[in-house]
Amino acid sequence: ILNVEQSPQSLHVQEGDSTNFTCSFPSSNFYALHWYRWETAKSPEALFVMTLNGDEKKKGRISATLNTKEGYSYLYIKGSQPEDSATYLCAYSGSARQLTFGSGTQLTVLP
Amino acid sequence: EAQVTQNPRYLITVTGKKLTVTCSQNMNHEYMSWYRQDPGLGLRQIYYSMNVEVTDKGDVPEGYKVSRKEKRNFPLILESPSPNQTSLYFCASTPSGYNEQFFGPGTRLTVL
Repeated sequence: ILNVEQSPQSLHVQEGDSTNFTCSFPSSNFYALHWYRWETAKSPEALFVMTLNGDEKKKGRISATLNTKEGYSYLYIKGSQPEDSATYLCAYSGSARQLTFGSGTQLTVLP
Repeated sequence: EAQVTQNPRYLITVTGKKLTVTCSQNMNHEYMSWYRQDPGLGLRQIYYSMNVEVTDKGDVPEGYKVSRKEKRNFPLILESPSPNQTSLYFCASTPSGYNEQFFGPGTRLTVL
């Protein structure tokens, strides 16, 4: 089983703060790296899928970068809002067939 | 509305009583997968399917079976459920390996 690590496991930030999380994955045999946002009692929803080294994606206040050579991706949230509170999951794919998820970073944004 | 549906959403059963969790998608996606989610472990892939009649094991396939007779449906079968299969199960579909996964609403299974 492949090792996909996310850090930190959880964090609390104040409304308006910017924050970032890390996802590390095997640097060999890279196919794609996914980020999902998972709110309590809902299903995970995709934020980004990145496939190329150096990829940077942005959706509103959320952005992500990818370094496939060293095996890490960062997710950034600028000016956190209470509605950003969720668990953020990354998932590594070494082929079209399988997706290995990290255990997630649980973000709580305090008003 | 494009969606992945799962049934049932909640199920409490007893050890050894065969059950099936259905999954259906209306987006004509090639790929479908089943995951289980346990506290502290994240989502773990049970089985996946790349097309009709093409299925393969994921990371935790023991105790599960799947079938893909039609493109839209991908049922998960527990022939003889055991308490360690108590979990939250998600079905997902995607058009290709490079695309995002679309998740169903989840099925919370308790095996007593």
